[in-house]
Amino acid sequence: SQTIHQWPATLVQPVGSPLSLECTVEGTSNPNLYWYRQAAGRGLQLLFYSVGIGQISSEVPQNLSASRPQDRQFILSSKKLLLSDSGFYLCAWSVRSVQRTGELFFGEGSRLTVL
Amino acid sequence: AQKVTQAQTEISVVEKEDVTLDCVYETRDTTYYLFWYKQPPSGELVFLIRRNSFDEQNEISGRYSWNFQKSTSSFNFTITASQVVDSAVYFCALSRDRGSTLGRLYFGRGTQLTVWP
Repeated sequence: SQTIHQWPATLVQPVGSPLSLECTVEGTSNPNLYWYRQAAGRGLQLLFYSVGIGQISSEVPQNLSASRPQDRQFILSSKKLLLSDSGFYLCAWSVRSVQRTGELFFGEGSRLTVL
Repeated sequence: AQKVTQAQTEISVVEKEDVTLDCVYETRDTTYYLFWYKQPPSGELVFLIRRNSFDEQNEISGRYSWNFQKSTSSFNFTITASQVVDSAVYFCALSRDRGSTLGRLYFGRGTQLTVWP
């Protein structure tokens, strides 16, 4: 069966410090990968998506970047965190199938607090 | 632009009551998908349903049912005989990626449902 893990689960970082959130999918190959952010009281916002190794698309301009060094690994990074980067970050994957478009499988989330 | 509105921020019901979660969407596309996801306290979202814009048939799955009406751009979700385990945040979402393997979802702000025993 397929599983998705992301870590760390909780992170408290000072403003200006770097960030690295990691996500790994197991039990499938060539998935589409996504990073979403859920700010308090708001819905989920798509930040990045990837259809293959090294292929990253950004949905919104921001202080963050993403990388996909391996087929089932997706990393969210920042060189210098801002207060506005605080939130709940969710990694997700989907099967590359037209019949299952939009059926995303989410990780447990990483709660980032920037102080 | 795509927009999903869930006007109900919070709903509280007592167990066994029926509850309907509203979802209104905006899109200029003629083909799209609509979704409902559940986010329990553990945090990870769980896929519940996908609806094709060409298919307005209502769907029922156990205690869950969905009412899709293109005329009012609504995709409402009803839980019959609610249970405490239904307590969660429910998100409605829209995707333009019909015909694509990519699933970029545009989410509403969610409705926090609390079911009291």
